[in-house]
Amino acid sequence: EVQLLESGGGLVQPGGSLRLSCAASGFTFSSYAMSWVLQAPGKGLEWVSAISGSGGSRYYADSVKGRFTISRDNSKNTLFLEMNSLRAEDTAVYYCAKATTVPGGMDVWGQGTTVTVSS
Amino acid sequence: AIQMTQSPSSLSASVGDRVTITCRASQGIRNDLGWYQQKPGKAPKLLIYAASSLQSGVPSRFSGSGSGTAFTLTISSLQPEDFATYYCLQDYNYPLTFGGGTKVEIK
Repeated sequence: EVQLLESGGGLVQPGGSLRLSCAASGFTFSSYAMSWVLQAPGKGLEWVSAISGSGGSRYYADSVKGRFTISRDNSKNTLFLEMNSLRAEDTAVYYCAKATTVPGGMDVWGQGTTVTVSS
Repeated sequence: AIQMTQSPSSLSASVGDRVTITCRASQGIRNDLGWYQQKPGKAPKLLIYAASSLQSGVPSRFSGSGSGTAFTLTISSLQPEDFATYYCLQDYNYPLTFGGGTKVEIK
């Protein structure tokens, strides 16, 4: 079964750091780009960051550029999001998602992990 | 960044109704668009990719159309399990951008 399982969310103070992980199974992880998508409480979906299958290309939303770093370990089938200088507005459910090889597609999503930035 | 303008932001409909949701891109994106359904507390689910291709396992009452800057998601006969929020997503270029969402509620 194709599956993504996020972990690492929690409560952190403003200015703090957190590392999210996304464990993948059931597919050839290194063959697919991966993304992180957030959803603030009561709000819509917002793309955060993406990384190519090899890890050689990385992309970020302006709102997180310079603060968040996406990475992957293809030997461990795991995606990461290192989050620094966290702000209250980063409070959200964070989903990892697998990109398809066709346009418009993220065909597999994790269940999400909640990040709360508050003092 | 490409802006995706989705409308309406919400709608009320009855079971059996035909429902249409639109997304407009601020510039041409070919057919690099997907449609997603999200239910409360759940992860989004891909319904349509490449603007008009039905994702495997998705009921045929869902269809997508459009290219360039104007796109449509149609539910031909609304079912009780279709009450949810729907989003479009462009992946023509980075940053990827979602539409603001359309909440489909029971009339």
